[in-house]
Amino acid sequence: GAVVSQHPSWVICKSGTSVKIECRSLDFQATTMFWYRQFPKQSLMLMATSNEGSKATYEQGVEKDKFLINHASLTLSTLTVTSAHPEDSSFYICSASELAAGADTQYFGPGTRLTVL
Amino acid sequence: AQSVTQLGSHVSVSEGALVLLRCNYSSSVPPYLFWYVQYPNQGLQLLLKYTSAATLVKGINGFEAEFKKSETSFHLTKPSAHMSDAAEYFCAVSDRGSGNTGKLIFGQGTTLQVKP
Repeated sequence: GAVVSQHPSWVICKSGTSVKIECRSLDFQATTMFWYRQFPKQSLMLMATSNEGSKATYEQGVEKDKFLINHASLTLSTLTVTSAHPEDSSFYICSASELAAGADTQYFGPGTRLTVL
Repeated sequence: AQSVTQLGSHVSVSEGALVLLRCNYSSSVPPYLFWYVQYPNQGLQLLLKYTSAATLVKGINGFEAEFKKSETSFHLTKPSAHMSDAAEYFCAVSDRGSGNTGKLIFGQGTTLQVKP
């Protein structure tokens, strides 16, 4: 149980284009989903927290107009990197908190490797 | 505010030896603490968690951790290392002081190397 998927697992795009990453909780309903980015050999940096049906809460320093988050249902959240540039290249990981389990544990997706040329 | 410090960015042990990964936390409220493992190019897998029940927590793959309030520590141990334990390990504390969001604050990570 508690499986989170991400799609795509990797993507290469040209500078200036937009990329959408999907995060799905496959076998549970998620009250909250989180988006992280991770640079090589570093820890995870929280970008934003999203709750179904409401606007995402972004961490300080994260541009909300560049990283668009939509949490359309209790099983799906999307992150869109708009007008991507090489400095946006990173490993993006989502996680979801399980509604039934009291929301005190995050389950992580496998990550999406974004490379912007 | 919560924070986590993992002592030692790199730990190397021999196969069959004791694994000890150190984690100290700071929290203004009773903490929820977690250990996650990350294999290369993958997401994080939950090893174990402490949520104010028993102070000695047993997790998957033979790992366990003990919550010590007096030392503000939550060190991860395994009696006998296996080659498959080689990975990156993250300690995290849940930010439960801000409306119960469950936001995780991660330590810097510790790379565990297991030598044959």
